[in-house]
Amino acid sequence: GENVEQHPSTLSVQEGDSAVIKCTYSDSASNYFPWYKQELGKRPQLIIDIRSNVGEKKDQRIAVTLNKTAKHFSLHITETQPEDSAVYFCAAGGGSGNTPLVFGKGTRLSVIA
Amino acid sequence: EAGVAQSPRYKIIEKRQSVAFWCNPISGHATLYWYQQILGQGPKLLIQFQNNGVVDDSQLPKDRFSAERLKGVDSTLKIQPAKLEDSAVYLCASSTGNTIYFGEGSWLTVV
Repeated sequence: GENVEQHPSTLSVQEGDSAVIKCTYSDSASNYFPWYKQELGKRPQLIIDIRSNVGEKKDQRIAVTLNKTAKHFSLHITETQPEDSAVYFCAAGGGSGNTPLVFGKGTRLSVIA
Repeated sequence: EAGVAQSPRYKIIEKRQSVAFWCNPISGHATLYWYQQILGQGPKLLIQFQNNGVVDDSQLPKDRFSAERLKGVDSTLKIQPAKLEDSAVYLCASSTGNTIYFGEGSWLTVV
């Protein structure tokens, strides 16, 4: 089955700097790659997603890139703000038979003002 | 649009006791999931339903966990008997297509 590795597990950046979180996946049939943000005590919320027919997607300060050949995808947050501090999860799935999402272990992002 | 509803939000039980969690998905979402999230980890799929049928329950510890979605809408997840390692947040989610929407979760502490 699918296996998702996520790095780093913790990340501290200064306010205004960029943050990059990377994930790799194992199942070449996976074709859907969402990113979720989870604040303390809250539910995971979808912030951006990408499908395998697209290499990059951007939404304001957030972008995701996908390299299907290498089986890795990344989340980029520019001009970070204190409210970006949270745990971010990547996931992969949606392959043959609509396989369910498998999540990475998460990255705790701290934006220091 | 109402989100995924879950109850109870918090539950503390002793080991070997039983507990049940309830979920009401977003209206019209045929697919419903139960995920277990242990503190400091990502959500792990326990079971996936498509309408009232089970699609994937390969990671559900069937000796103690059970789940049902009898009428293809609401779902319940039961743990009996509970173990200390079952302490986690149980997240219900629903989807139409690939995008999954999570509920606020049911926090379980087993003492």
